[in-house]
Amino acid sequence: ESVLTLSPGTLSLSPGERATLSCRASQSVSSTYLAWYQQKPGQAPRLLFYGASSRATGIPDRFSGSVSGTDFTLTISRLEPEDFAVYYCQQYGSSPLYTFGQGTKLEIK
Amino acid sequence: QVQLQESGPVLVKPSGTLSLTCVVSGGSISTKNWWSWVRQPPGEGLEWIGEILHTGSTNYNPSLKSRVTISVDKSKNQISLQMTSVTAADTATYYCARSGPCVLEYWGQGSLVTVSS
Repeated sequence: ESVLTLSPGTLSLSPGERATLSCRASQSVSSTYLAWYQQKPGQAPRLLFYGASSRATGIPDRFSGSVSGTDFTLTISRLEPEDFAVYYCQQYGSSPLYTFGQGTKLEIK
Repeated sequence: QVQLQESGPVLVKPSGTLSLTCVVSGGSISTKNWWSWVRQPPGEGLEWIGEILHTGSTNYNPSLKSRVTISVDKSKNQISLQMTSVTAADTATYYCARSGPCVLEYWGQGSLVTVSS
């Protein structure tokens, strides 16, 4: 089973700052099969990106996704108050079909 | 816009069976999309349980496969989850979601199920 490791576990930043979240796969993952989600307290996860860098419907362009080898990155260029949440990466295709990283909590500094 | 709504008992006794239903509105369940169940223990991360297609074809997480059954009722536009022999470790918020492809696009609001005597 391929494991996804998100870093850092917690990221403390201020509104207006840039956030960089990393998701590393223990085995090779095609960028086609990597997604990012945002989850706010008491809410279901929300799809942000599919195919590592394609924004889902309604996602602001301050969010961007990229990949370098087995390292996937989610960047928020200028943090808005509503961006503080937990972020998950997810891979598709190995067994089990869907696996998630453990989550990065983005909190207000 | 597709909407999903989970429902079922909020409290299940240890060794009992957890049963949840997910009603799909705003679209037919009989499409090319698969329909998944995902759970999240309190304060923890996400775990995919399994998925079903309208034909009845299923895929399960091997770690849960022996205890889980996912079924579909096309006449009611809904899917169901049954999990047997539950323990406190199965306490979680259970989400249904529309899969596809390769991502979980639309999610229900979730249903918190507590396993306790």
